[in-house]
Amino acid sequence: DGGITQSPKYLFRKEGQNVTLSCEQNLNHDAMYWYRQDPGQGLRLIYYSQIVNDFQKGDIAEGYSVSREKKESFPLTVTSAQKNPTAFYLCASSRQGAKQYFGPGTRLTVT
Amino acid sequence: DQQVKQNSPSLSVQEGRISILNCDYTNSMFDYFLWYKKYPAEGPTFLISISSIKDKNEDGRFTVFLNKSAKHLSLHIVPSQPGDSAVYFCAASDVGGSNYQLIWGAGTKLIIKP
Repeated sequence: DGGITQSPKYLFRKEGQNVTLSCEQNLNHDAMYWYRQDPGQGLRLIYYSQIVNDFQKGDIAEGYSVSREKKESFPLTVTSAQKNPTAFYLCASSRQGAKQYFGPGTRLTVT
Repeated sequence: DQQVKQNSPSLSVQEGRISILNCDYTNSMFDYFLWYKKYPAEGPTFLISISSIKDKNEDGRFTVFLNKSAKHLSLHIVPSQPGDSAVYFCAASDVGGSNYQLIWGAGTKLIIKP
């Protein structure tokens, strides 16, 4: 089955620690994205990558970092510089064009 | 500045009736529009899309209408079913400009009453 996997589903961290969220896709899509969703709000773009070894900042990139060393993988690191890291994080991918396919999400709680 | 707006945070509809979800946009460069459905604690799933060269697209119970002059689109679900209860997001893109980004609305929570 082709799809996008995000792990883990739930993640808990202490304040001040960096944490990396995993995103893998086997859809052979060129583009990958990271979004953040907060309660009652829409999706906000953190970073996106249209090709391996290249990525662009989205609307809320501060406090986050990414890498795209392989086409299938686009991990997101939430650093201690992110002021409000507790949120639901969604990874997506797409071929050329706008239709994006989403993973199941990771809920990160930082205390 | 919100380029894509869903002005109704929630909508309640009787089972079997028509649900109409609305979306407005401000950027005239948008040429491709999508609707996604999202259940709590899950990723959004694609429902239906429409290109700006069309004014209607239909897929089963779902129909999307696009009014370019009004910069408005709507999603019709008929008949509404209990499983349709979810948050619906409208998204837009400038695909003609090879822009892979989607601009998202804030979502409308649809509640189907039995």
